[in-house]
Amino acid sequence: LAKTTQPISMDSYEGQEVNITCSHNNIATNDYITWYQQFPSQGPRFIIQGYKTKVTNEVASLFIPADRKSSTLSLPRVSLSDTAVYYCLGLYGGSQGNLIFGKGTKLSVKP
Amino acid sequence: EPEVTQTPSHQVTQMGQEVILRCVPISNHLYFYWYRQILGQKVEFLVSFYNNEISEKSEIFDDQFSVERPDGSNFTLKIRSTKLEDSAMYFCASSPLRGEAFFGQGTRLTVV
Repeated sequence: LAKTTQPISMDSYEGQEVNITCSHNNIATNDYITWYQQFPSQGPRFIIQGYKTKVTNEVASLFIPADRKSSTLSLPRVSLSDTAVYYCLGLYGGSQGNLIFGKGTKLSVKP
Repeated sequence: EPEVTQTPSHQVTQMGQEVILRCVPISNHLYFYWYRQILGQKVEFLVSFYNNEISEKSEIFDDQFSVERPDGSNFTLKIRSTKLEDSAMYFCASSPLRGEAFFGQGTRLTVV
């Protein structure tokens, strides 16, 4: 599974777009990039997953360049409720598997 | 929306006692997992379960731990003789054949 590196923390203000970048230099051909969100005292929640280029859903967008050595999670117009820890993971085959969580990025959204 | 349900939400136990943490995965899911998160630390994988047997386990999942799917709906994690360092949030998760894992709200285990 790919080893991922992301900033430990980020601060933002309500209404701003937030971009969290994740490095995964040794990502394998079969790994998908998967992002989870965790609120305090709750279980992680799947946000988005992609293999390359751009994926968008109702929550976020995920940008993965052609070399796939990094990816960027983009949260449009964040609100206070987006304050959480965001985890970037490499997931073999993009499907079921044992998720190896790093320390994630703690996003704090301020009013 | 279907969800993974865990009980109890909080369990306090004395060191050396056995505890059983319970989970009801989403009904049509095939893969089941247990993770734990010590306060202030990262989420750690414990074990995965598929087709009524353990498919993978981590170094944390030693002989003190066991999992069971006793009746086709519940999925349990048993810790035989709890230690202080077992205090953590324990998360159950399930996933379909293809697709993301869904996590429960967790059981906070406190060993005193």
